[in-house]
Amino acid sequence: GAGVSQSPSNKVTEKGKDVELRCDPISGHTALYWYRQSLGQGLEFLIYFQGNSAPDKSGLPSDRFSAERTGGSVSTLTIQRTQQEDSAVYLCASSWDGSEEFFGPGTRLTVL
Amino acid sequence: AQSVTQLGSHVSVSEGALVLLRCNYSSSVPPYLFWYVQYPNQGLQLLLKYTTGATLVKGINGFEAEFKKSETSFHLTKPSAHMSDAAEYFCAVISGGYNKLIFGAGTRLAVHP
Repeated sequence: GAGVSQSPSNKVTEKGKDVELRCDPISGHTALYWYRQSLGQGLEFLIYFQGNSAPDKSGLPSDRFSAERTGGSVSTLTIQRTQQEDSAVYLCASSWDGSEEFFGPGTRLTVL
Repeated sequence: AQSVTQLGSHVSVSEGALVLLRCNYSSSVPPYLFWYVQYPNQGLQLLLKYTTGATLVKGINGFEAEFKKSETSFHLTKPSAHMSDAAEYFCAVISGGYNKLIFGAGTRLAVHP
């Protein structure tokens, strides 16, 4: 079956612009996670969704970052007024029961 | 709070040699432990995981890891390295009730002829 998909695969934007990153989880997976992978910080947790609710947003680095999930499926991570330090690979993962997370290929974000 | 330490950011081995990637964890509760592999420009792929039961866990591509509670370790091994094993490897522990992953800094494995 289809795995986790993310779009776009690459995004180049100018400092100060807003960007939206999309994640399509595996069908039926109720848990969805966003992580960020950057050179200086490694792999960091950003936010967790159970269904459409986000009980854990503790990893979002600033109020410029937000995320939503609709229909218990697709999730969008939005970064407002992007900064150069936001440049990273943003990874999405989904899970049926939390015991194993399946990762998408990531979106590489470059802020010029 | 849970944390993961991977010793050695870069490991280089000869093709056919033993692969040993080290991982130590800190956890206040019985841990769920994972090894993921990342090939260039790709996402993370699960190699193996330990939840409960047998402490020696076998994964894909001939890798295995042993959970040693007394040493708080979960080292990854493979008896004979292949060129295709060259990648970055991440050890991770589940943290908290929402099962988010806490990752180590990663170990880049190079395999030379």
